[in-house]
Amino acid sequence: KNEVEQSPQNLTAQEGEFITINCSYSVGISALHWLQQHPGGGIVSLFMLSSGKKKHGRLIATINIQEKHSSLHITASHPRDSAVYICAVQPFYGGSQGNLIFGKGTKLSVKP
Amino acid sequence: KAGVTQTPRYLIKTRGQQVTLSCSPISGHRSVSWYQQTPGQGLQFLFEYFSETQRNKGNFPGRFSGRQFSNSRSEMNVSTLELGDSALYLCASSRFLDSTDTQYFGPGTRLTVL
Repeated sequence: KNEVEQSPQNLTAQEGEFITINCSYSVGISALHWLQQHPGGGIVSLFMLSSGKKKHGRLIATINIQEKHSSLHITASHPRDSAVYICAVQPFYGGSQGNLIFGKGTKLSVKP
Repeated sequence: KAGVTQTPRYLIKTRGQQVTLSCSPISGHRSVSWYQQTPGQGLQFLFEYFSETQRNKGNFPGRFSGRQFSNSRSEMNVSTLELGDSALYLCASSRFLDSTDTQYFGPGTRLTVL
């Protein structure tokens, strides 16, 4: 079993829809990251969470440490949101920024 | 401010050869991490450097090595290439090792091993 599980693997939505991507993990963590990867490979860090909720524009990320679960929400989705969204956790034993365990990613396609 | 740069962007090698990839972090960033991305395994952590010292290493064989220079630029080397080493190699930089610091990723080097 992977230490970081994401669902769904693939998601197709119509423009304007509310989107939720889920991430569950099995290890103790010091932080959880949500990343966005566009075709061609470039990765952008969207959020880093250790508790609660963060919002940036139309993106909202939440984490429940007790349940070892995080969600990424996109409100009013747009075709430019089409990308792969990757959840990554920073385990306690790693103790540093770069030592991350990654989920397999959720491929989102938003149709106009 | 210039972003993280990686060179070369594309590389084709044959089995048994060795390869060196380079990563220049954002100016002022002292931490550099390397990752391998393949269709089968996804993203995996290779190693992390801070102030010229390797701080963490992922679960990869000794054929994978790296270093960081005094100007924070980093290189990774893969010796005796295997077909399975074909991947996108990404580096990321941050100011510190602090878990609250944002990482900035480079565009990656796509390595193909024939």
